Amino acid sequence: GAVVSQHPSWVICKSGTSVKIECRSLDFQATTMFWYRQFPKQSLMLMATSNEGSKATYEQGVEKDKFLINHASLTLSTLTVTSAHPEDSSFYICSASGYIRGSNEQFFGPGTRLTVL
Amino acid sequence: SQKIEQNSEALNIQEGKTATLTCNYTNYSPAYLQWYRQDPGRGPVFLLLIRENEKEKRKERLKVTFDTTLKQSLFHITASQPADSATYLCALDKDTGGFKTIFGAGTRLFVKA
Repeated sequence: GAVVSQHPSWVICKSGTSVKIECRSLDFQATTMFWYRQFPKQSLMLMATSNEGSKATYEQGVEKDKFLINHASLTLSTLTVTSAHPEDSSFYICSASGYIRGSNEQFFGPGTRLTVL
Repeated sequence: SQKIEQNSEALNIQEGKTATLTCNYTNYSPAYLQWYRQDPGRGPVFLLLIRENEKEKRKERLKVTFDTTLKQSLFHITASQPADSATYLCALDKDTGGFKTIFGAGTRLFVKA
């Protein structure tokens, strides 16, 4: 149980285009979903926190107009990278949190590798 | 400012030995600390969580200690195996008792057969 999926697993796009990444909790309801970005050999950096049905909370330095987050249901959150540029190339990872096994745990998706040409 | 430090140098050990990884933090008072495993190109996988009032926690070959005075956690893998080779991440809740998780950069472990 407690599986989180991401789609696509990798994507290559041209500079200036927008890319949407989906994050789904497959077998539990996620009250909160988190989006992280990870550059090579660096730590996961929290970008934003989203709760179902409300606006996402962005971390300092993360442009909310560039990284659009929609948490439409308790099992789905999407991250759209708008007008992507090469510096947006990174590994994007989502996590979902729900009350499972008596505590709030975070479960991570497998990540999405974004390459912007 | 808040900081999590993990040894950036890779740890190389022989199969069967105990691997010990260190996580130090400053300017935090976390309610709990977590350890994750991350394989290349994959998302982190949760291993263990230890709370501020716990000194030690074990799960199979894994052991975690948490010293809130030293602001340090040690992560041990006993009887290590080549399959244990991965990057191990330390993580803290960003706001005491809060919900956001902040990660260290991780330590790469290589276990030689």
